[in-house]
Amino acid sequence: KAGVTQTPRYLIKTRGQQVTLSCSPISGHRSVSWYQQTPGQGLQFLFEYFSETQRNKGNFPGRFSGRQFSNSRSEMNVSTLELGDSALYLCASMGQGDVSENYGYTFGSGTRLTVV
Amino acid sequence: GENVEQHPSTLSVQEGDSAVIKCTYSDSASNYFPWYKQELGKRPQLIIDIRSNVGEKKDQRIAVTLNKTAKHFSLHITETQPEDSAVYFCAAAEYNFNKFYFGSGTKLNVKP
Repeated sequence: KAGVTQTPRYLIKTRGQQVTLSCSPISGHRSVSWYQQTPGQGLQFLFEYFSETQRNKGNFPGRFSGRQFSNSRSEMNVSTLELGDSALYLCASMGQGDVSENYGYTFGSGTRLTVV
Repeated sequence: GENVEQHPSTLSVQEGDSAVIKCTYSDSASNYFPWYKQELGKRPQLIIDIRSNVGEKKDQRIAVTLNKTAKHFSLHITETQPEDSAVYFCAAAEYNFNKFYFGSGTKLNVKP
């Protein structure tokens, strides 16, 4: 089955602008999580959506938000961009955790955001 | 919240040698411990995981051990090959509670 698809792959934005990133999970996966990856901070959890509801949230400011649609596709939005928001944003989808299925994330290739 | 510490940050081994990466966690509620491998410029990929009802799990050259009492778990790679060179991340989570806490990563370099 197709993997997790993230678009766009690369983005360059200016400070103060906003950006929207998109993630299409593996077919049948209803859980979509977002992570920020930076060399200094590693992989940090942003939030998780399940059946169009935000189920878990990390410790990021309110400038970071997301949503999930009825087809499980998810978008992440960052408003009023700061230089420190430059990072690789990874989306990950997860199945239901049945014993017959590998439990754990399948990551997308990420969106590399550069804020100048 | 959970805190996961990972050591070492870099590890260099000769091809054929073994490599061990160690992680500790703080929250006794964590019961699921996956390991991810991230090659340069690529996505993290799950290579092995363990749930807290077992102490060890093996998959060919890779094994993971878990000590619940001491709250630490380790990744063991035997007979390392150059293609094992990558950054490895450990994580801790409550099973079916989809919020993973990742370690800071270990950059493994396997010298041919």
